[in-house]
Amino acid sequence: EPEVTQTPSHQVTQMGQEVILRCVPISNHLYFYWYRQILGQKVEFLVSFYNNEISEKSEIFDDQFSVERPDGSNFTLKIRSTKLEDSAMYFCASTGTYYGYTFGSGTRLTVV
Amino acid sequence: GQQVMQIPQYQHVQEGEDFTTYCNSSTTLSNIQWYKQRPGGHPVFLIQLVKSGEVKKQKRLTFQFGEAKKNSSLHITATQTTDVGTYFCARGGSNYKLTFGKGTLLTVNP
Repeated sequence: EPEVTQTPSHQVTQMGQEVILRCVPISNHLYFYWYRQILGQKVEFLVSFYNNEISEKSEIFDDQFSVERPDGSNFTLKIRSTKLEDSAMYFCASTGTYYGYTFGSGTRLTVV
Repeated sequence: GQQVMQIPQYQHVQEGEDFTTYCNSSTTLSNIQWYKQRPGGHPVFLIQLVKSGEVKKQKRLTFQFGEAKKNSSLHITATQTTDVGTYFCARGGSNYKLTFGKGTLLTVNP
């Protein structure tokens, strides 16, 4: 069964540093997303990406965040200057048509 | 934003007991999806409901969509320890964006 692959599985970074979280969505999917989940809390929408551009973003997705699909397979989330409150599990997801998302296993980001 | 409210937040049952989680919206839902997240895992898609009054079954799981398309439920018959996890409902929106409820954490005592 096709999978969404995320790397790294765990990233520890110092406050103020830049991090890049990587995702390889399912190859024939068209819609890509980043969500985050603070421990024990709900899954929060960050951004959706379609046709090589952002289609929607949440209030959380401020100027510190950016997404790219640099080579047609990878889908990255960059946080330019991390804050303590950015510590969370970040999930990438993709979907082809409206039948449900496939989520990656997530990257646990710890900002110290 | 257009939220979905999920209750209960937690449910602890004895193995073999039934379990139900409810998802409610103040506005009409175009569709609702359900996901399961095992402890330490990622959300896994279970089902999508689209039609008013729709009922779908997956083995011991029964999913319902209300007639007014403002609520949905997931019912598990005779829970097993493998059912442990958090069950999320999610409303569909534009660009296939999903807005998740806070989830119901199910624990099962063997």
